[in-house]
Amino acid sequence: EVQLVESGGGLVQPGGSLRLSCAASGFTFSSYEMNWVRQAPGKGLEWVSYINSRGNIIYYAGSVKGRFTISRDNAKNSLYLQMNSLRAEDTAVYYCARDRTGDLLVDYWGQGALVTVSS
Amino acid sequence: QSVLTQPPSVSAAPGQKVTISCSGSSSNIGNNYVSWYQQLPGTAPKLLIYDNNKRPSGIPDRFSGSKSGTSATLGITGLQTGDEADYYCGIWDSSLSVGVFGGGTKLTVL
Repeated sequence: EVQLVESGGGLVQPGGSLRLSCAASGFTFSSYEMNWVRQAPGKGLEWVSYINSRGNIIYYAGSVKGRFTISRDNAKNSLYLQMNSLRAEDTAVYYCARDRTGDLLVDYWGQGALVTVSS
Repeated sequence: QSVLTQPPSVSAAPGQKVTISCSGSSSNIGNNYVSWYQQLPGTAPKLLIYDNNKRPSGIPDRFSGSKSGTSATLGITGLQTGDEADYYCGIWDSSLSVGVFGGGTKLTVL
């Protein structure tokens, strides 16, 4: 059974940093592209970042470029999102999302990790 | 303002049919496959339709998808109260090299 389990969410002050992790199981993690997708409270889905299976092709949404860093460790079946210079508008549930084709065809989603940026 | 445009809400009676539109451009819908996601209240999204019109295993054939030019449509027949959810279209924008979702459509089954 495919499982994606996010961790590392919490409350952080504006300007602070946080690192999200996503533990993958039930499939060959190293064969799949991955994404982070977020959802602000009461709002719609927003794509955040993409990383290919080898970790050498990466894309970011304009709203997080220069502040967030996506990475992966295929030996540990893990995906990460390092978030720096956090702003109130980054408050959201962050989903780890498996991409079947690399065209944002997300076939599995994690349960989400809540990140709250507030003083 | 999302790159993909969806109506904010649609509604219909149980047993009826509803369609949800998703309008984009030549760099996204016009050039790639569309996916649709269902998000029930308080849960993570779930893949409903992929490659414009294909259903993952376990998705009933009451759900269908189509694409024409730079627009896509999700259709749901035989509406049930359990279909009340938010529905999102999503796609990769080849020109911008970013993923994009529609703003979401809230379905109410009256």
